[in-house]
Amino acid sequence: ETGVTQTPRHLVMGMTNKKSLKCEQHLGHNAMYWYKQSAKKPLELMFVYNFKEQTENNSVPSRFSPECPNSSHLFLHLHTLQPEDSALYLCASSQAPLLAVYEQYFGPGTRLTVT
Amino acid sequence: GENVEQHPSTLSVQEGDSAVIKCTYSDSASNYFPWYKQELGKGPQLIIDIRSNVGEKKDQRIAVTLNKTAKHFSLHITETQPEDSAVYFCAASGNTPLVFGKGTRLSVIA
Repeated sequence: ETGVTQTPRHLVMGMTNKKSLKCEQHLGHNAMYWYKQSAKKPLELMFVYNFKEQTENNSVPSRFSPECPNSSHLFLHLHTLQPEDSALYLCASSQAPLLAVYEQYFGPGTRLTVT
Repeated sequence: GENVEQHPSTLSVQEGDSAVIKCTYSDSASNYFPWYKQELGKGPQLIIDIRSNVGEKKDQRIAVTLNKTAKHFSLHITETQPEDSAVYFCAASGNTPLVFGKGTRLSVIA
């Protein structure tokens, strides 16, 4: 248990659905991240939030919409996804503001399947 | 930007043998190099890290070495056990978000 929880753990959705992924960290960190993990690809950083402010958006399509209401919670809102969006979505947290120089801790991930 | 290459992509060792995974990076400004272990159905778990002012770091059966001149760093696991079987990722950063390697699937054969 790393102190970072994610719900749901598994999600199957159609291309016209709208769903949200939730992440919560209990480590007192103030930076949070969304990553996408696909088979045979490196971990892809999607978004970074530092003290609730988005500081990184790696050219992610607008069908993915992040929300960070406070330093402990992070959401990823999904709508009109494509089958190629099927992947493991990982949330992570760390201290800030030096971001990655501090140890980064991951949640267990949400396995998303788009049908 | 930073680019991290990791080798090998798969590695099989007999229980009790050592395993070595190597990574190279491109950005000379990188100064933080963590290693993560990911077991099936779980997120990556930080197992050891090294910063650029240190050449080697050990924690029980695992060690990491760093050669800043050559821009490469390695993970060494000694006396491997079946529970060491997992995917291992290296990463590099220099005040920027971590850049990860593609991972090494380690299988320890009993």
